Amino acid sequence: DIQMTQSPSSLSASVGDRVTITCRASQSINRFLHWYQQKPGKTPKLLIYGASSLQSGVPSRFSGSGSGTDFTLTISSLQPEDFVTYYCQQSYSTPWTFGQGTKVEIK
Amino acid sequence: QVQLQESGPGLVKPSETLSLTCTVSGGSINSYYWSWIRQPAGKGLEWIGRIHSTGNTAYTPSLESRLTMSVDTSKKQFSLKLTSVTAADTAVYYCVRDGTYDSSGYYRFYFDYWGHGTLVTVSS
Repeated sequence: DIQMTQSPSSLSASVGDRVTITCRASQSINRFLHWYQQKPGKTPKLLIYGASSLQSGVPSRFSGSGSGTDFTLTISSLQPEDFVTYYCQQSYSTPWTFGQGTKVEIK
Repeated sequence: QVQLQESGPGLVKPSETLSLTCTVSGGSINSYYWSWIRQPAGKGLEWIGRIHSTGNTAYTPSLESRLTMSVDTSKKQFSLKLTSVTAADTAVYYCVRDGTYDSSGYYRFYFDYWGHGTLVTVSS
């Protein structure tokens, strides 16, 4: 199985801050990397697919980059509704696997 | 707009079989892959397995010996059966659409449509 490791596991930031979350794969996954946002008690929502493509309806403050084993999710200016949990996921080979999640908290 | 709805018992006894069904509406079930994902309370997401509308399956190795997925395209439903459950199988179970076709006609795997999730508790 491909292991996905996110860092940090949690972070504290303020409204308006620029935030970067990292996801590392245990082997190269090309650009088959996707990011999801999950609000408490809610269903995860696709933000970014294919490492850098913004899903329809997702605000442009979200962006993704990377290829191979190292990927980043960047939120350019945190908004109050962004203080939730983010997951990366690979679809290079089954079993599909997720990172452990990164919780973004208000400083 | 594709919508998915999970259905099934919310309480299952240890050693028994967990059975869930997902109904697809607002779009076609044909030619797509469909997955199940679960999330224990306060924990991360775990992919369980997927099924294509033709019945082709792929399961996560740790659950494969207990897992069966099936599809009924006439009813626009796909299903999950997990046998010999224990408390460790207690989780919110989501059904999701596992990918779509890009502008070039290639199938790209990612979870773009999700059901609301259903909590399954394993307890006597």
